[in-house]
Amino acid sequence: AQSVTQLDSQVPVFEEAPVELRCNYSSSVSVYLFWYVQYPNQGLQLLLKYLSGSTLVKGINGFEAEFNKSQTSFHLRKPSVHISDTAEYFCAVSEYSGYALNFGKGTSLLVTP
Amino acid sequence: SQTIHQWPATLVQPVGSPLSLECTVEGTSNPNLYWYRQAAGRGLQLLFYSVGIGQISSEVPQNLSASRPQDRQFILSSKKLLLSDSGFYLCAWSSTGAAYTEAFFGQGTRLTVV
Repeated sequence: AQSVTQLDSQVPVFEEAPVELRCNYSSSVSVYLFWYVQYPNQGLQLLLKYLSGSTLVKGINGFEAEFNKSQTSFHLRKPSVHISDTAEYFCAVSEYSGYALNFGKGTSLLVTP
Repeated sequence: SQTIHQWPATLVQPVGSPLSLECTVEGTSNPNLYWYRQAAGRGLQLLFYSVGIGQISSEVPQNLSASRPQDRQFILSSKKLLLSDSGFYLCAWSSTGAAYTEAFFGQGTRLTVV
């Protein structure tokens, strides 16, 4: 079985500053990796995903993430955040043999002026 | 295009009352279906998933149950709610096999058990 650890529960950052949200996973088999964003009282929206191919993946809203197999990490980055990026961010993993996502506990990103 | 509908959006139920949350998917066939729960300040916990009609896998023992009476319909139920059942419930679907790309989520149901 796989597991996901999001190392920061809260990340405060000033507007226009860069941000990195950290995610590590453990699995005995190959996995798919995802980052989702959740705005208050809403469902989850996919930011980006790694299924195969290039380890640097770009997503919506200027976010990108890099899959590092040796470090079993999939950190999310944005070079310059906006107030509107304030939300909860979830890292998730699923195995090739099954498709149910296992989520980390989430990181609350708070962007202030 | 595919869409997922989940209702109701909010629900307040007394302890011991029954529960029925419904989720339907349009625009796809034979999807995998999932129920997740998000408790306050916690991550998302997978409750049930289904790979076909009548096929339900339970991930966490609890007083909840799930059913899939039709290909694109997924129902979450309880006979008697507990206070600990309060939370944000999310339904999701995904394709399978070579068509798999991601899971798509509904807008969620906020359940408060009082």
